[in-house]
Amino acid sequence: DGGITQSPKYLFRKEGQNVTLSCEQNLNHDAMYWYRQDPGQGLRLIYYSQIVNDFQKGDIAEGYSVSREKKESFPLTVTSAQKNPTAFYLCATSWRAGNTGELFFGEGSRLTVL
Amino acid sequence: EDKVVQSPLSLVVHEGDTVTLNCSYEVTNFRSLLWYKQEKKAPTFLFMLTSSGIEKKSGRLSSILDKKELSSILNITATQTGDSAIYLCAGGTSYGKLTFGQGTILTVHP
Repeated sequence: DGGITQSPKYLFRKEGQNVTLSCEQNLNHDAMYWYRQDPGQGLRLIYYSQIVNDFQKGDIAEGYSVSREKKESFPLTVTSAQKNPTAFYLCATSWRAGNTGELFFGEGSRLTVL
Repeated sequence: EDKVVQSPLSLVVHEGDTVTLNCSYEVTNFRSLLWYKQEKKAPTFLFMLTSSGIEKKSGRLSSILDKKELSSILNITATQTGDSAIYLCAGGTSYGKLTFGQGTILTVHP
């Protein structure tokens, strides 16, 4: 199936632990994005990447890190420095770098810090 | 910093009503304005607008962009309970960044 796969769908973490959320796509899209969504809120941009080995900070990058070693993969690490990490995380792709056209979204990962 | 603001933040209507959702943006190197509907998890794409004054329609939904006023509206006519969702708009730049607004929570009662 073509699409965007995020894993895990649900994740529980103890305070002080780093966790990595996976995002894999087989759409051959150039650009990938990570957004955070809090209950009843819109999406806030964490990081985005237009090409392999390059990424830019979004509006709320503090406490997060990413890598883009392969076109298909854009993992997000939520570090212990993130003060309030409990949220719904959405990965998205766009077919061409620099093209702010339609975003395609994964099903999301819900992170809960205990 | 790019900014997108939606209003109202929430709206409750009855089936058959017509609603208008607003989106204003302050986006450097603006390229496009996008609307999405989010019911449970992944947002689904509704419209992308790049030209001012040209209405896009899909069934009971329509949207238009006003670049002079830096705003867009999304209209839904003859609302149905299935229209209940969060409606998101996003401003896109020429270098690929998309900034979303807070969303409008629409509730349609039977």
